[in-house]
Amino acid sequence: KAGVTQTPRYLIKTRGQQVTLSCSPISGHRSVSWYQQTPGQGLQFLFEYFSETQRNKGNFPGRFSGRQFSNSRSEMNVSTLELGDSALYLCASKTSGSSYEQYFGPGTRLTVT
Amino acid sequence: GENVEQHPSTLSVQEGDSAVIKCTYSDSASNYFPWYKQELGKGPQLIIDIRSNVGEKKDQRIAVTLNKTAKHFSLHITETQPEDSAVYFCATKDSSASKIIFGSGTRLSIRP
Repeated sequence: KAGVTQTPRYLIKTRGQQVTLSCSPISGHRSVSWYQQTPGQGLQFLFEYFSETQRNKGNFPGRFSGRQFSNSRSEMNVSTLELGDSALYLCASKTSGSSYEQYFGPGTRLTVT
Repeated sequence: GENVEQHPSTLSVQEGDSAVIKCTYSDSASNYFPWYKQELGKGPQLIIDIRSNVGEKKDQRIAVTLNKTAKHFSLHITETQPEDSAVYFCATKDSSASKIIFGSGTRLSIRP
């Protein structure tokens, strides 16, 4: 069974621009979560989607948003990019909203210049 | 909210020796404790997990112990090998939400 896939793997954007990242969960998984990983803050939860609905949201500004499609694929969007948004963005999937085991993709490395 | 503290931040052990990483958590209602291994350029990989109704769990060279009274849990790796070199994260599932709260990570290096 294929793992979680994320595209693109690397991205360079300029401050003020916006970016969209994509995540395809493991086949059969319906819950997708997004995390931001930085050297200073570690792994921080952004939000979780299940059945196209946002179930939980972390402490990030409104510039960070996401959505989930009927096939469980998810996208996250960051608008008005800031230098501090440079990070590895990780997507994780699990079978349902109530399941425990969560599996991560390889991440998208975003660099804001 | 839930807080997870992880120690040490770096750990270097001789190949063949054991490595132990320790974590403490704050929410006594937490009931799920996974451990992740992250290699360079990859996402975190779930290597073992334990639930609050179990005190210890083993999988080959890896074991995790949980002390709910003291609110701490540990990862034990025996007979370490070069491929064990990575960053290891402990985590707990927030009892009030579906999110996972991660520790700050331990960079494990195996000396040949």
